[in-house]
Amino acid sequence: QKEVEQNSGPLSVPEGAIASLNCTYSDRGSQSFFWYRQYSGKSPELIMFIYSNGDKEDGRFTAQLNKASQYVSLLIRDSQPSDSATYLCAVNRVDSSYKLIFGSGTRLLVRP
Amino acid sequence: EADIYQTPRYLVIGTGKKITLECSQTMGHDKMYWYQQDPGMELHLIHYSYGVNSTEKGDLSSESTVSRIRTEHFPLTLESARPSHTSQYLCASSRGLDEQYFGPGTRLTVT
Repeated sequence: QKEVEQNSGPLSVPEGAIASLNCTYSDRGSQSFFWYRQYSGKSPELIMFIYSNGDKEDGRFTAQLNKASQYVSLLIRDSQPSDSATYLCAVNRVDSSYKLIFGSGTRLLVRP
Repeated sequence: EADIYQTPRYLVIGTGKKITLECSQTMGHDKMYWYQQDPGMELHLIHYSYGVNSTEKGDLSSESTVSRIRTEHFPLTLESARPSHTSQYLCASSRGLDEQYFGPGTRLTVT
């Protein structure tokens, strides 16, 4: 079992819809959770981070964390074709080594 | 916005050459990281540093070496490049136990 799991996709949604991206992690002690967006051939760009259970909203993005279920998700409202990218979930290592564990990413395709 | 720079952005080089990939950040971050990523594949941590004169190997075994003589600078060196080193190399930095910011990456091709 991978430490951070994501469905590789592609997740295809029509323009204007809500895209829901999911991530599960194995280490119950993890405290920090990050979502990165990576366009093809580019480097990852941080779009959201969340530390506490519940929802955190930033513009069209909402991160949701459920530590009991070891589950973190990213919702993208009013999806645009420019949102088409791979979304990486990252979780901090419990050994406090300042390292992140990255999932393999979910590819999102927003259809015009 | 993160100020982290990598040069060169693209490099095509022959087998056996020595190469150094440069990474610099102007944010004063203590922690810096090197990742390797093949197209469509996961990020793999190959080196990291928590400060000047501190370097550690990451999760993925790599024939590269790094140095950290100045806070802002974290170069990666391959003494003898091979085709198996062809990949994208991503540098990142972090202030603490938090988010990492990535540079634009160096796409290396060894022929």
